[in-house]
Amino acid sequence: EVQLLESGGGLVQPGGSLRLSCAASGFTFSSYGMSWVRQAPGKGLEWVSTIRGSGTGTYYADSVKGRFTISRDNSKNTLYLQMNSLRAEDTAVYYCAKEAAAGGGLDYWGQGTLVTVSS
Amino acid sequence: SYELTQPPSVSVSPGQTASITCSGDKLGDKYACWYQQKPGQSPVLVIHQDSKRPSGIPERFSGSNSGNTATLTISGTQAMDEADYYCQAWDSSTVVFGGGTKVTVL
Repeated sequence: EVQLLESGGGLVQPGGSLRLSCAASGFTFSSYGMSWVRQAPGKGLEWVSTIRGSGTGTYYADSVKGRFTISRDNSKNTLYLQMNSLRAEDTAVYYCAKEAAAGGGLDYWGQGTLVTVSS
Repeated sequence: SYELTQPPSVSVSPGQTASITCSGDKLGDKYACWYQQKPGQSPVLVIHQDSKRPSGIPERFSGSNSGNTATLTISGTQAMDEADYYCQAWDSSTVVFGGGTKVTVL
């Protein structure tokens, strides 16, 4: 059974940093791209970042480029999102999601972790 | 940047057919996916590669994609189908979501 478990969310002041983790199980982690998607309170889904299975390719939304860094440790089956220079508009539930085969969408999602940026 | 446009809301009577559109420039040249999200829950993939249903998704969910428009169709809509639905496509290795459509079953 595929499981994705996010952790690391919480309350942080504007300008602060936070690192999210996503522990994966139930599939060959290194074979699949992984993404972070966020959802601000009462709003729609917003893609944040994607990393290829090998970790060599990373992609970011313009809204987080230069502030967030996606990475993965395939030996620990864990995905990360390092978030720096946080802003109030980064407040959201952050989901990690597994890519299906090419063109197959995001077939498994975690339960999400809430990040609140406020003074 | 690439954009996908969905209607904010769709209403449907129980047992009837609901159609949700998703528009984007030459969307038919890309694969479209659809997600269902109920309040307080994580999104669930209901359609991928335009028209394929993942295991466990009821047959009443179907999809199509041509030209500039992808469509999610829910046939014989049930009360449990009331949710937000999001379309999604890939554009140059980035993920693009539509704004979401709230489906209300009246």
